[in-house]
Amino acid sequence: QKEVEQNSGPLSVPEGAIASLNCTYSDRGSQSFFWYRQYSGKSPELIMSIYSNGDKEDGRFTAQLNKASQYVSLLIRDSQPSDSATYLCAVNRNTGNQFYFGTGTSLTVIP
Amino acid sequence: DVKVTQSSRYLVKRTGEKVFLECVQDMDHENMFWYRQDPGLGLRLIYFSYDVKMKEKGDIPEGYSVSREKKERFSLILESASTNQTSMYLCASSTVFSGGRGFFGPGTRLTVL
Repeated sequence: QKEVEQNSGPLSVPEGAIASLNCTYSDRGSQSFFWYRQYSGKSPELIMSIYSNGDKEDGRFTAQLNKASQYVSLLIRDSQPSDSATYLCAVNRNTGNQFYFGTGTSLTVIP
Repeated sequence: DVKVTQSSRYLVKRTGEKVFLECVQDMDHENMFWYRQDPGLGLRLIYFSYDVKMKEKGDIPEGYSVSREKKERFSLILESASTNQTSMYLCASSTVFSGGRGFFGPGTRLTVL
């Protein structure tokens, strides 16, 4: 079983819609959760971090964490073509300081 | 802003050559990481370091070694480059005081012929 799993997509949504990206993780001891955005040919860029159960909002982005279900999601409201990228879910166990990444979900926002 | 820099954006080497990839961060971060990224496989951890002269193997350390003589610099060494090491190499750093948030360098695309 992989540490972090994501649907690879591709996921396509029309401009202005809500994009929903999902991630599951295998280690119940995981403490910190992150979403990175990676444009084609670029390095990953951190967009959200979440550490406790519930929702965390930052502008058009909302991260949701459910530790009981070992599930993290990212919602992008009012999606824009500039949101088209690959979104990587990352989990940090806090032991050994290692990050575990999913393989990423490719999102395309259609104008 | 945190800045992580890598010595080269693009590198072409021949099979059997020794290759050095360097990474420098300017935010006094304790932790530094080397990943490789391949299509369909995502980011895979090669090595990480949580202090000067300390290193830990990641998921795919075979064929690689690392060096961290100074806190700000983390080097990845391919002892004898092979074609299956053609990849995008990404360096990252983080601090325990930021909740583990990681910051990436721009990446080095290495081609081994």
